[in-house]
Amino acid sequence: EDQVTQSPEALRLQEGESSSLNCSYTVSGLRGLFWYRQDPGKGPEFLFTLYSAGEEKEKERLKATLTKKESFLHITAPKPEDSATYLCAVQARGYNKLIFGAGTRLAVHP
Amino acid sequence: EPEVTQTPSHQVTQMGQEVILRCVPISNHLYFYWYRQILGQKVEFLVSFYNNEISEKSEIFDDQFSVERPDGSNFTLKIRSTKLEDSAMYFCASSENRDSTGELFFGEGSRLTVL
Repeated sequence: EDQVTQSPEALRLQEGESSSLNCSYTVSGLRGLFWYRQDPGKGPEFLFTLYSAGEEKEKERLKATLTKKESFLHITAPKPEDSATYLCAVQARGYNKLIFGAGTRLAVHP
Repeated sequence: EPEVTQTPSHQVTQMGQEVILRCVPISNHLYFYWYRQILGQKVEFLVSFYNNEISEKSEIFDDQFSVERPDGSNFTLKIRSTKLEDSAMYFCASSENRDSTGELFFGEGSRLTVL
């Protein structure tokens, strides 16, 4: 069965303290892996798409990487406005649906 | 910036009542979706819709659920006879084309409370 596991469940950082979020996945043929950001009471907001092992994408303080079994979202020198829940999702070949993980709740304190 | 809009933002209903949730996807997008998120749980896929028909649906999307695109702009989710376990945030989403079906633009959600 296709599934996504994210760790840690919650992460508290000081402003400027870099860290990484993990997304482990099992899927019967990966079509794509996606990172989303979700603020409280809002819909998820698309961040990155990764298609194959070794691929990396960057946007401001965020960098996403992919291996054959997991993806990492690296946050460099985070700011309080980076506080949110970060969701990882996979899409299997032949399907449109996304399978989401439970997310990592990130809190960045000044 | 174009966005997906959903109404109502919050609906309270009695068990057994019919509910219709409405969405206006981004105008040039071709694929439309409904996802839901029960409080404290994962975002779950319900259904995808392309070319005026359902292209994919989950086990959750049983006979109590239906979707429709009644005109060129609206996309609706109907729950025929609501149950307590249908209480959740329902998100509408759209994507531009076949190559970007994982790059979803989500609406703000409709919170459904079934009493």
